[in-house]
Amino acid sequence: SQQGEEDPQALSIQEGENATMNCSYKTSINNLQWYRQNSGRGLVHLILIRSNEREKHSGRLRVTLDTSKKSSSLLITASRAADTASYFCATGEYGNKLVFGAGTILRVKS
Amino acid sequence: DTAVSQTPKYLVTQMGNDKSIKCEQNLGHDTMYWYKQDSKKFLKIMFSYNNKELIINETVPNRFSPKSPDKAHLNLHINSLELGDSAVYFCASSQGGTVNTEAFFGQGTRLTVV
Repeated sequence: SQQGEEDPQALSIQEGENATMNCSYKTSINNLQWYRQNSGRGLVHLILIRSNEREKHSGRLRVTLDTSKKSSSLLITASRAADTASYFCATGEYGNKLVFGAGTILRVKS
Repeated sequence: DTAVSQTPKYLVTQMGNDKSIKCEQNLGHDTMYWYKQDSKKFLKIMFSYNNKELIINETVPNRFSPKSPDKAHLNLHINSLELGDSAVYFCASSQGGTVNTEAFFGQGTRLTVV
């Protein structure tokens, strides 16, 4: 079964704007990861945040994790057309499997 | 150099046939996985191998049989293909398992059963 929900399902913004995607999950986790998938391609790892961390940055990406609410958010600042892709959160669970959310389709218009 | 490579990229076959998808990683990782992405883009783990040993078999039909000849390879054989097997199959690898670290994915194999 899927771990949880991602919100929104789809997001369309103008180049230069910020994009925020949210993810909720259901069980205890060791880490939460964000991946990007360009159309017709494989998944590319973006960032991993551990359960004892609250915020993490990588370039234009900012991820937060609230374990009390079982939720995470991914913020992409100053978006570019090349950021157009599907974004998935995945929880790294004991038992060595990633449990993925349903994904958010991001479209950045130039 | 491609870190995780799968072949073929596209596979179109008739119901009832048997087919294989191959996967190789050159990252030196000890754990490999097969994930399935359905038409709604839901991704779900199928199998996980650590150093050639099966760790996870996520209620996958017996028609699916993974084989890991060494820790750099994890192949997927599917018997008696059904229409519902149509999906994109992703191979992935990690060092030490995704409970602690990220996974590296291949480009996917789009399987279409007609």
